[in-house]
Amino acid sequence: EVQLVESGGGLVQPGGSLRLSCAAFGFSFSTYAMSWVRQAPGKGLEWVSSISGSGDSTYYADSVKGRFTISRDNSKNTLYLQVNSLSAEDTAVYYCAKHGVADGTVFFDYWGQGTLVTVSS
Amino acid sequence: DIQMTQSPSSLSASVGDRVTITCRASQSISSYLNWYQQKPGKAPKLLIYAASSLQSGVPSRFSGSGSGTDFTLTISSLQPEDFATYYCQQSYRIPRAFGQGTKLEIK
Repeated sequence: EVQLVESGGGLVQPGGSLRLSCAAFGFSFSTYAMSWVRQAPGKGLEWVSSISGSGDSTYYADSVKGRFTISRDNSKNTLYLQVNSLSAEDTAVYYCAKHGVADGTVFFDYWGQGTLVTVSS
Repeated sequence: DIQMTQSPSSLSASVGDRVTITCRASQSISSYLNWYQQKPGKAPKLLIYAASSLQSGVPSRFSGSGSGTDFTLTISSLQPEDFATYYCQQSYRIPRAFGQGTKLEIK
């Protein structure tokens, strides 16, 4: 059974940093690209970042480029998101999601339960 | 960047109703369109990928159609567990933008 378990969220002051983790179970982790998606309180979904299965290719939303870094350790079946220079606008539940590929398209077929990041003084 | 616009933003309906939600892309995305369902406090769940392909385990009352810029998600006969928020997402190009969501409420 595929399972994604996020951790690392919490309360952080403006300008602070956190490292979010997503432990993956039940599939060949290195085979699949992964993404982070966030959701501010009461708001919609926002794609944040993606990484290829090998980790060689990374992609970011403009809103986080230069502040967030996605990475993965395929030996530990774990995805990471280093979040720096945080502001109140980064307050959100952060989800990790596994990519699926079929019919030539990409979709997010499994999601973690999310980890809440709150930026406040 | 490709913008995704859903309509309506909210919708009231009754159990047994047929419901349609629309998603429009700001440029052609072929059939690179996915639909997700999210219930309060829960992670999103994939319903439809590639505009019309039903994800394994999703009830057949859900269906998707469209290509190019205009897409629809249809629920043929609403069940109590279908009251949730629905999001479309384009996977044609990065950034993989989501629509703003459609909240489906009980009438």
